[in-house]
Amino acid sequence: EVVLTQSPGTLCLSPGERATLSCRASQSISSNYLAWYQQKPGQAPRLLLFAGSTRATGIPDRFTGSGFGTDFTLTISRLEPEDFAVYYCQQYSESFTFGGGTKVEIK
Amino acid sequence: QVTLRESGPALVKPTQTLTLTCTFSGFSLTTTGVSVGWVRQPPGKALEWLALIDGDDDNLFSTSLRPRLTISKDTSRNQVVFTVTNMDPVDTATYYCVRIHSSGWVDNWGQGLLVTVSS
Repeated sequence: EVVLTQSPGTLCLSPGERATLSCRASQSISSNYLAWYQQKPGQAPRLLLFAGSTRATGIPDRFTGSGFGTDFTLTISRLEPEDFAVYYCQQYSESFTFGGGTKVEIK
Repeated sequence: QVTLRESGPALVKPTQTLTLTCTFSGFSLTTTGVSVGWVRQPPGKALEWLALIDGDDDNLFSTSLRPRLTISKDTSRNQVVFTVTNMDPVDTATYYCVRIHSSGWVDNWGQGLLVTVSS
């Protein structure tokens, strides 16, 4: 099973700052079969990015995905108030697994 | 517009079998590559992928939970039925029905159903 480890567990930042979230896989993920989701309290997750770096419909361009192999990154260039949430990565290269999540909270 | 809605009991007793139904609209499971699956989230914890089924009745299950899970579909009613046997308090979670794109990401989520396991 592919294990995804997200770091840090919590990121404390101010609006306008840059957020860098990491997702590391226990084995190489082929063809960048990695997605990112955002979840706000009391809501279902929402798809942000798929195929490592492709933004889903309606996702603003301040969200950027990068990486390959075992190391992937979600970058939020300038945090807006609505971006404070929990973020999950998911691989779909070998079955499906989710990472443990990174919480981005207001400093 | 794609929608998915979970239905089932909010409370089950330990050792009982949980049966959840996902009723969806805005797409058909006969669409090539589209799958419907289940993801759960214990309170305050991370997402956990559980199972999926596609239009050809092919299915895939979480390795760790495989012995306890079943999934089936009723294409004519746009429903997917998911069961978990031998429920335990650690299975307390919000269970989400999801649509899975042919390539593997989850592109639509239901609102989720909180299921509590308690005697």
